[in-house]
Amino acid sequence: DAGVIQSPRHEVTEMGQEVTLRCKPISGHNSLFWYRQTMMRGLELLIYFNNNVPIDDSGMPEDRFSAKMPNASFSTLKIQPSEPRDSAVYFCASRLGTTFTGELFFGEGSRLTVL
Amino acid sequence: GNSVTQMEGPVTLSEEAFLTINCTYTATGYPSLFWYVQYPGEGLQLLLKATKADDKGSNKGFEATYRKETTSFHLEKGSVQVSDSAVYFCALTVNQAGTALIFGKGTTLSVSS
Repeated sequence: DAGVIQSPRHEVTEMGQEVTLRCKPISGHNSLFWYRQTMMRGLELLIYFNNNVPIDDSGMPEDRFSAKMPNASFSTLKIQPSEPRDSAVYFCASRLGTTFTGELFFGEGSRLTVL
Repeated sequence: GNSVTQMEGPVTLSEEAFLTINCTYTATGYPSLFWYVQYPGEGLQLLLKATKADDKGSNKGFEATYRKETTSFHLEKGSVQVSDSAVYFCALTVNQAGTALIFGKGTTLSVSS
């Protein structure tokens, strides 16, 4: 069975450019999460969706970041304009149901480098 | 608020040594506790979990006991292998519908033969 699929795996861009990261959750999963991982700050929750509806976006750094989930099988995280401090690995994860004890399944991550 | 504190790494051990990675938490409600593992170049995967006090989660020789009195969930393994080299994350979620997982900063384990 396919796991959580993220694209691109690696992205190198220049400051000021728009970046779009994509995620396909596991089929049938109801919850989707975007996390950012850096050496300094560890793993930070950016936003999560239950049944395609954003529940908590308090972790989104600022207005340059936006996330959408137009349907149950696709989500995007967009950064516009990008800055060097956005360089990180961005993980998408999905969960079956909305129960708080459920296991999160992570994608392999998108490594973003902003020059 | 809700937070997780893990021991600073890296932890460097020889094969067959005993492993302990400390984890303590603060939570506004009644949390469920988790350990996730991240192997190089991969995403995180669930290692074990415990959903109520005194529960012991176990998997692949690892175990952790939910201690409410000390607000701890320490990870242990009796004999580590080189293949256990990875980053280990302690995490919690609070007993409310639809909440997200909150992670500690991770502890890097390096096992040499």
